[in-house]
Formats: sequence, structure tokens, C-alpha cells
Amino acid sequence: DTVLTQSPALAVSPGERVTISCRASESVSTGMHWYQQKPGQQPKLLIYGASNLESGVPARFSGSGSGTDFTLTIDPVEADDTATYFCQQSWNDPPTFGAGTKLELK
Amino acid sequence: QVTLKESGPGILQPSQTLSLTCTFSGFSLSTYGMGVGWIRQPSGKGLEWLANIWWDDDKYYNPSLKNRLTISKDTSNNQAFLKITNVDTADTATYYCARITMGITTYFDYWGQGVMVTVSS
Repeated sequence: DTVLTQSPALAVSPGERVTISCRASESVSTGMHWYQQKPGQQPKLLIYGASNLESGVPARFSGSGSGTDFTLTIDPVEADDTATYFCQQSWNDPPTFGAGTKLELK
Repeated sequence: QVTLKESGPGILQPSQTLSLTCTFSGFSLSTYGMGVGWIRQPSGKGLEWLANIWWDDDKYYNPSLKNRLTISKDTSNNQAFLKITNVDTADTATYYCARITMGITTYFDYWGQGVMVTVSS
């Protein structure tokens, strides 16, 4: 299975720019997607196909990367962005998720 | 407006069969390119994909659980189902269903609120 590695946690101040990384154990081309999950809620799709912004998601969120290295950027970060962010690949079977990066605001 | 909602037994005993239902609206599983997936999440942990079913009744399972999983659908009632046989405490989790759309790459664009399942003797 393709293993996705994410940093466990980040802390930033509102108004700053934050990058959340996801590294795949093998190439996933652009088959990488990002989800936001707030406590007690279901995951929400933010970015699909590595860099495509899902409809209704603020333009503060952006994604980049291909192959094995991917980044989710939030600029500027707002207080409401406190959540856990998961990457997910669908290029290789089976689909797999990263363990998540917990974003906290200072 | 796309919505999905999971339902399940809440609690069951080890070795029993877990039956989950996903009732959805806003799309049809008889439409070309539409699918529903099941994903689970133990409390405080990450997400694990379980199975997908497509409009043409193609089915895909996580190999690590394949022998225990059965996914199915009832197109006329806008429902998808997942059965997991021989459950144990490791199957305790929140179970989500989500819509998937066929494309160059597939992703889960709408999720249900999840249903919590506890396996305990």
C-alpha cells in the first residue's frame, strides 16, 4: 500500500501563511486530495487532483505537488481553520490516507 | 443538494456481523460515473478506506479486510450497504459513507455525518 507521511502537528498565528506537507512512499502522480476535519465533524474535501480547489472552499486554501511530494497551503490562516488536515491518494490501489496534521492557532 | 446519512446498530458483540446503511439524496447510483465509498475512523485516529461501489455495480475492497466485507446497493431507494463479518474490538470506529465521482482520479466529495459503532462483549 502507498504510505502517506504527514507532520503530526503545527501551531501558527492568525494571519500567517502555513504549509502542510504530505509525502507518498511511491508516485501518485496528481492523484492526491486534501480534507479538513474539525472535532466531531466529518471530513470535508478542500483540494482534489493535487491543486484543484473544491467548489465553495475559500481561495485561502491551495494545493501543489506531483509525484511523491505535496503541499496544502493556507494563506492567510484564520481562527476557524483549527482542524486536522488529511491527505489521501487514489492513484494506487488501495486508496490510502495520511495520519493527519493537527493545526492549532496560537 | 447532496446529502448522505449512515445508520447502524450502535453496539454489537465480537464475532457478530455489522450491517451499515447509507441513505443518500441529490444524486443517483444509477447515473454513469457515480459511486459510494465507506471509510472508517477509530476515535482519535486516522481514516481507513474500506470499500467502493459504482453505478455499474463494480465493487472494490480494501485487501486487508476483503474477506470480511460485502458492499451492495439499492438504486431505487438511494441506499448503499456495507456488511462486515466476524467483528472484534478493532472494528470499533465511526463509519462514514461518501460520494465518489469517476474521473481522472477519484475522491470523496460529499460525506455523511458518520455513525459510531462499538464492538464490546
